[in-house]
Amino acid sequence: GENVEQHPSTLSVQEGDSAVIKCTYSDSASNYFPWYKQELGKGPQLIIDIRSNVGEKKDQRIAVTLNKTAKHFSLHITETQPEDSAVYFCAASSPNSGYALNFGKGTSLLVTP
Amino acid sequence: SQTIHQWPATLVQPVGSPLSLECTVEGTSNPNLYWYRQAAGRGLQLLFYSVGIGQISSEVPQNLSASRPQDRQFILSSKKLLLSDSGFYLCAWSRGTTDTQYFGPGTRLTVL
Repeated sequence: GENVEQHPSTLSVQEGDSAVIKCTYSDSASNYFPWYKQELGKGPQLIIDIRSNVGEKKDQRIAVTLNKTAKHFSLHITETQPEDSAVYFCAASSPNSGYALNFGKGTSLLVTP
Repeated sequence: SQTIHQWPATLVQPVGSPLSLECTVEGTSNPNLYWYRQAAGRGLQLLFYSVGIGQISSEVPQNLSASRPQDRQFILSSKKLLLSDSGFYLCAWSRGTTDTQYFGPGTRLTVL
């Protein structure tokens, strides 16, 4: 089945700096890649997603890039703010696994003022 | 707009006791529904999903079961809880199988 690896597991940046989180996937048929932000004690919230027919997608300070050949995708957060501190999860979905979302293990992002 | 509710928010249960967690979705019809478990410091593990009333698919064999008695209601149950059942249980919904999944607020279960 699909295997999603996420790095780093923890990331600390200063306010205003950029943060990058990377994920790799194993199933070349995967075609949907969402990113979720989870604050302590809450459910994950979708922040951005990308489908395999697109290489990059941007939404204000957040962007996601996808490299289908290398089977990796990345989340980029620019001009980080303390409220960006949370755990971020990537996921991949493939028709080979019934379109179930396979999640990475998460990245704990800390933005210090 | 659509909203998803989970009840209860927290639960402490003794080993061997039964379990019933409820998830309801408002503002949509015939959603796909999902149950995930999140262990401390780990990712989300899909437990069950349902594409319609009475239709349940299990992803991981265990002592948990799921039921969908109504279109927008999804229930996670157990007859006898184990210590290893402790975790954060999340319900999610999507319009279709290839659509975005939206998560509920979760239930924190502690089995003692």
